[in-house]
Amino acid sequence: NAGVTQTPKFQVLKTGQSMTLQCAQDMNHEYMSWYRQDPGMGLRLIHYSVGAGITDQGEVPNGYNVSRSTTEDFPLRLLSAAPSQTSVYFCASSYLTPTKETQYFGPGTRLLVL
Amino acid sequence: AQKITQTQPGMFVQEKEAVTLDCTYDTSDPSYGLFWYKQPSSGEMIFLIYQGSYDQQNATEGRYSLNFQKARKSANLVISASQLGDSAMYFCAMRVTGNQFYFGTGTSLTVIP
Repeated sequence: NAGVTQTPKFQVLKTGQSMTLQCAQDMNHEYMSWYRQDPGMGLRLIHYSVGAGITDQGEVPNGYNVSRSTTEDFPLRLLSAAPSQTSVYFCASSYLTPTKETQYFGPGTRLLVL
Repeated sequence: AQKITQTQPGMFVQEKEAVTLDCTYDTSDPSYGLFWYKQPSSGEMIFLIYQGSYDQQNATEGRYSLNFQKARKSANLVISASQLGDSAMYFCAMRVTGNQFYFGTGTSLTVIP
């Protein structure tokens, strides 16, 4: 199993450009999430999904879109990049059982918006 | 309001000693989960331990244990027998209804030889 994979690892964008951050998991997890990590602020939830076809907004959704057409994939789209979106982006997938929950993270994407 | 608070920006511990990292939370959800993650300098997020809000016993995973005090809304991480490889950032997180996660700002742990 590859776990949670993210592409690209690094990206530089100019203000106003759009791009898609890819995320895939091979663990058949229903739940997937996107976070951004900024210095001194921990991780903040951007969007999340509880299953294919179902997405919802997290704490900081503005400027981002998501879709979940399959269980495996959960891409994050930046519509018009702004310098404030310079951050490290993590995708995660998770599962719940009656007695345990676990959330696995991808390796992250470092994004610089000039 | 949903909130996770980690009040220790940095901690030091002697190798082989135990250390406690503090975490308090605030939620009105009756059902929630509490998590701890480790982030080494390489940047990946590593799941350490989970505690469900209805669990009667404190969770343990090897050298990690979670001291869950529901009435005080605290979920402290205890690392026993610290190793040099434990030096990292540690994040406390809470999952509430609908699979929304909230993270604290983290504690930087340094293990001294």
